[in-house]
Amino acid sequence: AQSVTQLDSHVSVSEGTPVLLRCNYSSSYSPSLFWYVQHPNKGLQLLLKYTSAATLVKGINGFEAEFKKSETSFHLTKPSAHMSDAAEYFCVVSVSSNTGKLIFGQGTTLQVKP
Amino acid sequence: ETGVTQTPRHLVMGMTNKKSLKCEQHLGHNAMYWYKQSAKKPLELMFVYNFKEQTENNSVPSRFSPECPNSSHLFLHLHTLQPEDSALYLCASSPGQGSGYTFGSGTRLTVV
Repeated sequence: AQSVTQLDSHVSVSEGTPVLLRCNYSSSYSPSLFWYVQHPNKGLQLLLKYTSAATLVKGINGFEAEFKKSETSFHLTKPSAHMSDAAEYFCVVSVSSNTGKLIFGQGTTLQVKP
Repeated sequence: ETGVTQTPRHLVMGMTNKKSLKCEQHLGHNAMYWYKQSAKKPLELMFVYNFKEQTENNSVPSRFSPECPNSSHLFLHLHTLQPEDSALYLCASSPGQGSGYTFGSGTRLTVV
């Protein structure tokens, strides 16, 4: 069965410092993995996705994530946080089925301090 | 705009009312989903439709009734809701396996 665990429910960084949001997954096959962002009172927006091509995936707004099979991790990083990055972030793994069903992590709230 | 449009954006309804949420996508996607997002809780998958057919119902109470008349439209009919049903209801669509979802902006529902 597939599952995903976001290791931190809340991360706080100062503006201009690096961001690291941690995600571990469990999958019985080679998964597709995603990061989504949700700003307050908004829907979810796709940041980036991994689908068995390059293990380092670049997304929008300067975010990137690295797929590490040996560690079953897919951590999200950004070199320098911006105030507008403050939001909820979800790590997501696909389920092997024709419906394309996704399983969402619990979410990590990113706070960016001036 | 993401390509998935949800209406209304906000809805306040009494427990005896009947209302419907609408979701529309013209991305050519074959699968559509309803999710419930409550405060301090993870996203809850409610229903999955694939090529207009319901393929998953996650033990959702019958006061929530989905309808998918075609691959572009998805409705969620609501009746005799409870205050604990107040939440953000998100619609999403996808082309299929291994693809990400495209989400709508959601309907913020308040049951009074």
